[in-house]
Amino acid sequence: GAVVSQHPSWVICKSGTSVKIECRSLDFQATTMFWYRQFPKQSLMLMATSNEGSKATYEQGVEKDKFLINHASLTLSTLTVTSAHPEDSSFYICSASRGMRADTQYFGPGTRLTVL
Amino acid sequence: KNQVEQSPQSLIILEGKNCTLQCNYTVSPFSNLRWYKQDTGRGPVSLTIMTFSENTKSNGRYTATLDADTKQSSLHITASQLSDSASYICVVGKAAGNKLTFGGGTRVLVKP
Repeated sequence: GAVVSQHPSWVICKSGTSVKIECRSLDFQATTMFWYRQFPKQSLMLMATSNEGSKATYEQGVEKDKFLINHASLTLSTLTVTSAHPEDSSFYICSASRGMRADTQYFGPGTRLTVL
Repeated sequence: KNQVEQSPQSLIILEGKNCTLQCNYTVSPFSNLRWYKQDTGRGPVSLTIMTFSENTKSNGRYTATLDADTKQSSLHITASQLSDSASYICVVGKAAGNKLTFGGGTRVLVKP
């Protein structure tokens, strides 16, 4: 149990375009979902926390207008990178929690974004 | 400031040998500590989770220890295998609030 999937697993896009990444909890309802970014050889950095049906809470330094997060249902959250630039190239990982607590989260397999 | 420091940053070990990874934290108030294994290009997978009252937890060849007094944890890998090559991340949960603090990870390379 507690499986989290992400789609796509990798994506290449041109600079200036927008990219949407989906995160799904397959066998449980996720009250809270988290989005992380990970640069090579670095650890995960929390970007935002989203609760179903409400606006996401973004970490300091993360542009909410650039990284649009939608948590429309208890099993799906999406991250849209708008007007992507090469510096947005990174590994994006989502996680989902049954409850409100961050310490019960299960991680997805990640999405590799490359912006040309 | 809540921090999680891991050492070493990386290590190379021969297949079949044991190794121990260290994690020191200053997160307070403490809730729990998890060790994750992250293969290259994949999301983290939980190995162990320990709360304040637990001082050891095993998962196959992985054994984690926790000393809540000194705020230290270790992850011991026994009889390493090539598939153990990965990054191992120590993550501490805070009792108050809803965030995790991630360590920088230790990159382990197991050579035949």
